[in-house]
Amino acid sequence: ETGVTQTPRHLVMGMTNKKSLKCEQHLGHNAMYWYKQSAKKPLELMFVYNFKEQTENNSVPSRFSPECPNSSHLFLHLHTLQPEDSALYLCASSLHWTGEIRNYGYTFGSGTRLTVV
Amino acid sequence: GIQVEQSPPDLILQEGANSTLRCNFSDSVNNLQWFHQNPWGQLINLFYIPSGTKQNGRLSATTVATERYSLLYISSSQTTDSGVYFCAGGGLYNFNKFYFGSGTKLNVKP
Repeated sequence: ETGVTQTPRHLVMGMTNKKSLKCEQHLGHNAMYWYKQSAKKPLELMFVYNFKEQTENNSVPSRFSPECPNSSHLFLHLHTLQPEDSALYLCASSLHWTGEIRNYGYTFGSGTRLTVV
Repeated sequence: GIQVEQSPPDLILQEGANSTLRCNFSDSVNNLQWFHQNPWGQLINLFYIPSGTKQNGRLSATTVATERYSLLYISSSQTTDSGVYFCAGGGLYNFNKFYFGSGTKLNVKP
């Protein structure tokens, strides 16, 4: 267990379904991220939240809708997905950059393996 | 964004051998991290190393920020070291955003 918990671990959904991925961290971090990992592709940044405010949307289709109610929780709401959206979705957290010398590295959750049928 | 090039893309080792993995960046980075992804997809943080050298058991890493590269050394490799190794770097003006390389897939044979 890394301190970042993702649920569910596996998800199979139809193209007309609506589902949500959940991420929770108890590391005292104040930045959270969603990444997508498809087969044979580098990790792709999707969204960045700092102090629960979205600071980055990397041109992600609107069928992916993030939500960050507080610095410890992050959701990814899914609706009308396509088969090509099947991938491993990873959540990470870190400290927000302050300019001080600190560890700003990411801690990742175990991921949700999503299959769209 | 920053381009991250990792080499080699694939590596096969006999158990007990040593290896060096390399990561080159297209631009200056202030944040740099090495990860190991196990067969179940979990990304494990190995080193947070914006500069200098760190060691943790059989693993060590060196980052030369001025020359935009980092190295990961694995000594006396074990079968449990198998998996994919990623480096990731963040730039001067957006420290919270890490750019990932394509990874080095390591297979350690018994």
